[in-house]
Amino acid sequence: QKEVEQNSGPLSVPEGAIASLNCTYSDRGSQSFFWYRQYSGKSPELIMSIYSNGDKEDGRFTAQLNKASQYVSLLIRDSQPSDSATYLCAADTSGTYKYIFGTGTRLKVLA
Amino acid sequence: GAVVSQHPSWVICKSGTSVKIECRSLDFQATTMFWYRQFPKQSLMLMATSNEGSKATYEQGVEKDKFLINHASLTLSTLTVTSAHPEDSSFYICSASGLGGGADTQYFGPGTRLTVL
Repeated sequence: QKEVEQNSGPLSVPEGAIASLNCTYSDRGSQSFFWYRQYSGKSPELIMSIYSNGDKEDGRFTAQLNKASQYVSLLIRDSQPSDSATYLCAADTSGTYKYIFGTGTRLKVLA
Repeated sequence: GAVVSQHPSWVICKSGTSVKIECRSLDFQATTMFWYRQFPKQSLMLMATSNEGSKATYEQGVEKDKFLINHASLTLSTLTVTSAHPEDSSFYICSASGLGGGADTQYFGPGTRLTVL
């Protein structure tokens, strides 16, 4: 069974700190990886996609991918209370456009 | 860019009635649309995948006769929950991917909250 695993949290960080969210995936054929943010009662919002090993930065967000270790992470610098949400990691399933989602990590940024 | 809308945003209906939910890609052509269901404090569960002009592919355990999906154009997919029952109450979310939006990137609609009395 193909899986994406995340720690459910909550992960609590003080305002201004770096939040580090992690995710592992089981399907070695996955090529595309995504981080979504979901506020309570709302639908997921795309934060970043990453396809190649290494880091990808977009503003305060940095996604990291290590295909050898089957590991994806998201760093949020200068965390703000508005970043408090559930962060979903997703990986495509080899040969399709379907995603496998993790159960999400709940992040709390404390003011 | 890559905006997806859903209508209605919430609906309350009586048990036994049917409810139709629309999903539209507003600024790109969605070759593939996905329908998810999310129960409180749980992650997204993929119900089905639809491609324009062809029959939807349902995930295991999802009743295709109960959840009717039509993807009639590159910008519109509909989900009809037939003979809805209280256990169908959930948050239904569509996503779309395709030309102009990134072939493999799914953009989500705002969701439809269904309550069946």
